[in-house]
Amino acid sequence: DVKVTQSSRYLVKRTGEKVFLECVQDMDHENMFWYRQDPGLGLRLIYFSYDVKMKEKGDIPEGYSVSREKKERFSLILESASTNQTSMYLCAIPGSSYNEQFFGPGTRLTVL
Amino acid sequence: GQSLEQPSEVTAVEGAIVQINCTYQTSGFYGLSWYQQHDGGAPTFLSYNALDGLEETGRFSSFLSRSDSYGYLLLQELQMKDSASYFCAVKEGTGGFKTIFGAGTRLFVKA
Repeated sequence: DVKVTQSSRYLVKRTGEKVFLECVQDMDHENMFWYRQDPGLGLRLIYFSYDVKMKEKGDIPEGYSVSREKKERFSLILESASTNQTSMYLCAIPGSSYNEQFFGPGTRLTVL
Repeated sequence: GQSLEQPSEVTAVEGAIVQINCTYQTSGFYGLSWYQQHDGGAPTFLSYNALDGLEETGRFSSFLSRSDSYGYLLLQELQMKDSASYFCAVKEGTGGFKTIFGAGTRLFVKA
């Protein structure tokens, strides 16, 4: 079974704090993705990584950065959290055929 | 620009058949997939169509027409547990690494 885990299910932070969201996968996959999900907007790609230390911006990278120092771990960083970053954050990896994605359980982040 | 359109919500009764449509406008189209998401849960993969036609997986079927940039998810013999959000998604971009998701269709199944 594919396993994608995220460090927290729920997180509450204050405006201006630096926030780290961690994602770990056990499939040794090169590609990892970070999405945010908001009602009525679906899932939007923030960043993805196609190998260790390699990253590409998705559709909404502003206000975020990422880190991929080890193949199994992909971190999403909010340098200075803002209230409009309150959202559900989902990490994903592709399946072996790249036709599907497997998601972690998500982190619901609230920025006060 | 890139966009996927699907209805925001659909209501149906238990045992019925429901069709959720999706139209898309993207670049470098590779295929159309569908995901199910229950409240509080993560999206889970249901189906993928790369070629025109109907793919059947148990009670769920998915259809694609590339010439019409259109697809649908068909759910038969609806059960209460099918109440969830359903997302269509397009694999696109260079190498097909990127997936663009629709806003989702909330399905309510009534007894």
